[in-house]
Amino acid sequence: DQQVKQNSPSLSVQEGRISILNCDYTNSMFDYFLWYKKYPAEGPTFLISISSIKDKNEDGRFTVFLNKSAKHLSLHIVPSQPGDSAVYFCAATPGRGGQNFVFGPGTRLSVLP
Amino acid sequence: NAGVTQTPKFQVLKTGQSMTLQCAQDMNHEYMSWYRQDPGMGLRLIHYSVGAGITDQGEVPNGYNVSRSTTEDFPLRLLSAAPSQTSVYFCASSPLAGVTDTQYFGPGTRLTVL
Repeated sequence: DQQVKQNSPSLSVQEGRISILNCDYTNSMFDYFLWYKKYPAEGPTFLISISSIKDKNEDGRFTVFLNKSAKHLSLHIVPSQPGDSAVYFCAATPGRGGQNFVFGPGTRLSVLP
Repeated sequence: NAGVTQTPKFQVLKTGQSMTLQCAQDMNHEYMSWYRQDPGMGLRLIHYSVGAGITDQGEVPNGYNVSRSTTEDFPLRLLSAAPSQTSVYFCASSPLAGVTDTQYFGPGTRLTVL
């Protein structure tokens, strides 16, 4: 039973528009969340994170929102660029510093020029 | 810095064969780990190490062995490969045990077991 779910396997967005990637989790012990980005034939790279004491974290074009009561987080990319086309993984852990990383299955984002 | 390197990039094995996936990092990171990625699933933690001489099991350790004799290297051994071990394997490292948002991943090894 997946503890971290990304229910959209793929998403297509026009360049310049907003991309919204969603993630749901079931384990209430999770309190630190991360997004990773992965290009083909490369390893994942860290993108942005959020602690459960916050409901929003921004880094440039990337914003992560956390709704702890709904056990839901989302990644917003504004504006989307063709170089953002990649697979995005949501991951969760019970506290920053935990080795027990749980990843979602990923969402493939395609940004169309 | 080369970062995290993995060899080989691709490997095909027959059932029952053994092999070692190599992982090395040149960043003097204490924490290293191995994940596997299967279609439709996220990365799953196989084994990890918080320093030389110390290893522990992750979520899916069965069928795999690890050792950490140096800070730089963290090889993953398959003693008797099975088709269920067909996957893409990623090694990762970070400077402090469990500082999760600074994990650096290698490019992966794609393994097929026939």
